[in-house]
Amino acid sequence: GIQVEQSPPDLILQEGANSTLRCNFSDSVNNLQWFHQNPWGQLINLFYIPSGTKQNGRLSATTVATERYSLLYISSSQTTDSGVYFCAALPAENDYKLSFGAGTTVTVRA
Amino acid sequence: DAGVIQSPRHEVTEMGQEVTLRCKPISGHNSLFWYRQTMMRGLELLIYFNNNVPIDDSGMPEDRFSAKMPNASFSTLKIQPSEPRDSAVYFCASSYPGLGGNTQYFGPGTRLTVL
Repeated sequence: GIQVEQSPPDLILQEGANSTLRCNFSDSVNNLQWFHQNPWGQLINLFYIPSGTKQNGRLSATTVATERYSLLYISSSQTTDSGVYFCAALPAENDYKLSFGAGTTVTVRA
Repeated sequence: DAGVIQSPRHEVTEMGQEVTLRCKPISGHNSLFWYRQTMMRGLELLIYFNNNVPIDDSGMPEDRFSAKMPNASFSTLKIQPSEPRDSAVYFCASSYPGLGGNTQYFGPGTRLTVL
């Protein structure tokens, strides 16, 4: 199946800082999703972004499908941004089997 | 619209007992997924239903696990008998192949502890 790698594995931020999370995937994708798993364990959809750029408030994401990577930008981070951010890829040949990366654990300190 | 609904949210049981987890997908979604999340293995797909029919159950760990989808608005995941190594968070997700490109929406999860 498709391999998904995320970096960095851990990130510690001071409140108000900006950061970039990266997701590399090994093959063509039909879809690419970013999730935030909050400290209560809920998996929250942030973006579906097979290509291009999208923005939602302080978060934005860019996927360059031809180069097989996606970036998640967090601007003006807040303590509520803490949690684990997962990238998940839906391969072109098997359009239901999401492959998850290992996640980036983000800690935002006040 | 309500999101994916799962129950119970927490379940503590003893080894050997039967456990049933429940899921109500988002109305209008025709695909349903059961996932398991552990520290060691991350998020794993257990089973995928499309239009209430099981399509891929290759992720179901063993015969102790079974899943059903009797109608478009309800699914169950059953573990019988349960074992301590089944302790994990179980997520249900649903999707629809529309403009969202099979975007999967996850429920809040059921945290299962088997003693």
